[in-house]
Amino acid sequence: DTGVSQDPRHKITKRGQNVTFRCDPISEHNRLYWYRQTLGQGPEFLTYFQNEAQLEKSRLLSDRFSAERPKGSFSTLEIQRTEQGDSAMYLCASSSTWKTSGMYPDTQYFGPGTRLTVL
Amino acid sequence: QQPVQSPQAVILREGEDAVINCSSSKALYSVHWYRQKHGEAPVFLMILLKGGEQKGHEKISASFNEKKQQSSLYLTASQLSYSGTYFCGTDGNNRLAFGKGNQVVVIP
Repeated sequence: DTGVSQDPRHKITKRGQNVTFRCDPISEHNRLYWYRQTLGQGPEFLTYFQNEAQLEKSRLLSDRFSAERPKGSFSTLEIQRTEQGDSAMYLCASSSTWKTSGMYPDTQYFGPGTRLTVL
Repeated sequence: QQPVQSPQAVILREGEDAVINCSSSKALYSVHWYRQKHGEAPVFLMILLKGGEQKGHEKISASFNEKKQQSSLYLTASQLSYSGTYFCGTDGNNRLAFGKGNQVVVIP
């Protein structure tokens, strides 16, 4: 397995437009997380899934944000009516609740991120 | 709640040692350390579990003091590749809360 992948890597959009990001986790992993990171800060938790169930959403996640993981594999994060304050790096991570080959349980492995710029 | 990391930045010469710290105001069950280079994703380094168990991929050591709710990462005989921002993540309800990071710069 090549790790967590995210698409696109960069997205530039105009204020008010909708954007959608995709995350493909490590195939053996049943948990998937979304974080947002701005300059000089650590990643901030947005939401997480166990299989297809969305188990927790941060208060940071306004009504304009929605995430899905329809078949318990890849996930999408959509932002509607983007604002300039949404500009950030959006990171996806995955983990497993059991030990998988070469990886520790409950350890989150991050993807390369999608950098969003809202003009 | 976000852990506090110190010092904010460290500059050291290749071969020198440094210690970076992570502390929390609440009880910790595990501490996860990551390193992030500019423009890249955080890379997992180490997980420290309550009870003293330590698991990691690299030759970087760490300690976890459960009573003081603190963890320290020891960069020994630093290499140029150690440069980056180190984040600690503390485990709360199946998700991680990250500090603001320790920026480490190793110069030749």
